[in-house]
Order: sequence, then structure tokens, then C-alpha cells
Amino acid sequence: QQQVKQSPQSLIVQKGGISIINCAYENTAFDYFPWYQQFPGKGPALLIAIRPDVSEKKEGRFTISFNKSAKQFSLHIMDSQPGDSATYFCAASMSSNTGKLIFGQGTTLQVKP
Amino acid sequence: NAGVTQTPKFRILKIGQSMTLQCTQDMNHNYMYWYRQDPGMGLKLIYYSVGAGITDKGEVPNGYNVSRSTTEDFPLRLELAAPSQTSVYFCASKTNANYGYTFGSGTRLTVV
Repeated sequence: QQQVKQSPQSLIVQKGGISIINCAYENTAFDYFPWYQQFPGKGPALLIAIRPDVSEKKEGRFTISFNKSAKQFSLHIMDSQPGDSATYFCAASMSSNTGKLIFGQGTTLQVKP
Repeated sequence: NAGVTQTPKFRILKIGQSMTLQCTQDMNHNYMYWYRQDPGMGLKLIYYSVGAGITDKGEVPNGYNVSRSTTEDFPLRLELAAPSQTSVYFCASKTNANYGYTFGSGTRLTVV
């Protein structure tokens, strides 16, 4: 019940296209859902996050869509660029649980020029 | 402002050796975490701390130990290294007030 399942494992998108990464969770006590971006040889960096009281959050070309009833959330990258090529992790945590993040398995995105 | 600093960046250990991975942060964050990252497995929580003097086990604590004597430092100790501990280790911290982790740049450990 603590798992966060992420798909796909890898994704190839043409420059200018839309990249979509999906995550699903079981524990309805989760109340914080961030996405992290990781470049090779670097630590993950917070990209965007959402709480379950909203269904969508947009920051620039990055959008989180959240479906509370389905217990799913997704990351959409609009107008994908080669510089977006990285590994993306979804995660979830409970505010009452010391802030521990449970991470998805990761998606390696390659944006072809 | 250095953020979260991890040392060393790379290390090769022989089976049975011990070592300490260092993590220090200069943001006065109370919460600190150690994760390991393995290909296709995401990040798994090893240990965490909610403040100086307080530590607790995460999902995969076996073979590791931690201490938190100061707010700034959260070292991870490997005793009797095993090949299964070959991984990339990340330290992270956050404040009480928000949920965004700040990660270090990682330590790549190989046990041979």
C-alpha cells in the first residue's frame, strides 16, 4: 500500500512533442505528490508538486494532472526539448509521516532533435 | 550557499570493508534522509532523521547505520560491505515548513 507505480520505464519523444509520464498510488493518506528531474551524475531536483485539493498545476511547459478518485497523477511536458532529456521520478508522502517520500521507479526520457 | 554536500563522490570497497558516507547541509534543515538508487528501482529510503539526536529506519536499513549529533551532519555508516550495497547513495534534507527535498549530488559506491 506504500508503493507508487510509475510508467513507462522509458520514453522517446520528438522535439516539440508532448511527453506524458503516469503514476498510480494506493494509500489514500498521501497528500503531497512531487515530481523530480534528474540529469546524469546529479541528484534529483524538485520540478513541480501538487496537493490533492487541486486537479491540475502548471508551471511553464510542465503540468501535473491529478485524479483523486482514480488515485493517479501524471506529468505532461509540452513542447518537449532535447534539454528535457533526463530521468523523471514521481513521489508521494503523507504530511503526518515525517515527510518521507515514496518514489516511483523512474522514467528515462529522451527527446530527439 | 552550498546546500547538501556529500563526500566522497566515488568509492570502491572490498567485501567486508567498512566506510562512512558523509552528508552535511548548511540550510538549517531539521529533516534529513538517506536514499539508495538502483537502476529501474527508483530511490529507496535507508534511514531518516527529524532532528539532532533522532534517527529511524526506512525501507531498506539492513547493513547500514546512521547518527545525527548535529543539525548539519548525517553520516551513513556501512559495516561489512557486501556486493548488494553497490549503488548510488543520495542524502537529502528539508525544512519542517515545506515538503521539497534538497538532494546532494550522490556517492557512487562499488563493492567488489
